[in-house]
Amino acid sequence: ELKVEQNPLFLSMQEGKNYTIYCNYSTTSDRLYWYRQDPGKSLESLFVLLSNGAVKQEGRLMASLDTKARLSTLHITAAVHDLSATYFCAVVNAGGTSYGKLTFGQGTILTVHP
Amino acid sequence: DTEVTQTPKHLVMGMTNKKSLKCEQHMGHRAMYWYKQKAKKPPELMFVYSYEKLSINESVPSRFSPECPNSSLLNLHLHALQPEDSALYLCASSQDQVGDTQYFGPGTRLTVL
Repeated sequence: ELKVEQNPLFLSMQEGKNYTIYCNYSTTSDRLYWYRQDPGKSLESLFVLLSNGAVKQEGRLMASLDTKARLSTLHITAAVHDLSATYFCAVVNAGGTSYGKLTFGQGTILTVHP
Repeated sequence: DTEVTQTPKHLVMGMTNKKSLKCEQHMGHRAMYWYKQKAKKPPELMFVYSYEKLSINESVPSRFSPECPNSSLLNLHLHALQPEDSALYLCASSQDQVGDTQYFGPGTRLTVL
């Protein structure tokens, strides 16, 4: 069974600082997603990572994937208040009866304060 | 247009009521999903429809009944729900089931009294 673990689960950051959220998963997969969710809102797709060594950047967020280590990172550069949200990684099941199913990490609640 | 719409936005129902949630997409996607999300938790997959056929049912209680009338519409029929079923119900769609990016609707906030 695919398991996805994020850490930290809670992250309180000061504006202007850098930090990284980690996402580990337990079995082979060829796709990993990062989503953002604002309180009471739906999920917004941020990145899809398809191959080992993939790196994608959008604004102050950069995501990377190491399929050998089964690890993805979401790096936040010079945080601003608008980045406050919950961030989920999600991994695609690559086989078995749940082929194609997304398994989500627990989510990281990010709060950026002055 | 990468929009998935859901109605209603909010729903309050008693345990004896019957209600339905509706989801619609016009992106030509052939896979559609229902998720349940409790506060401060990740979404939990309930059902997947692929090419209008139910392909995954995550052992959801029968008081939840999905329906896919056509490739653009997905319904979730609710009957005899319990208070613990109160949650945010999210619909999503993707090009097809096999790991494509899922686009989520705004959700229906359901409260069962």
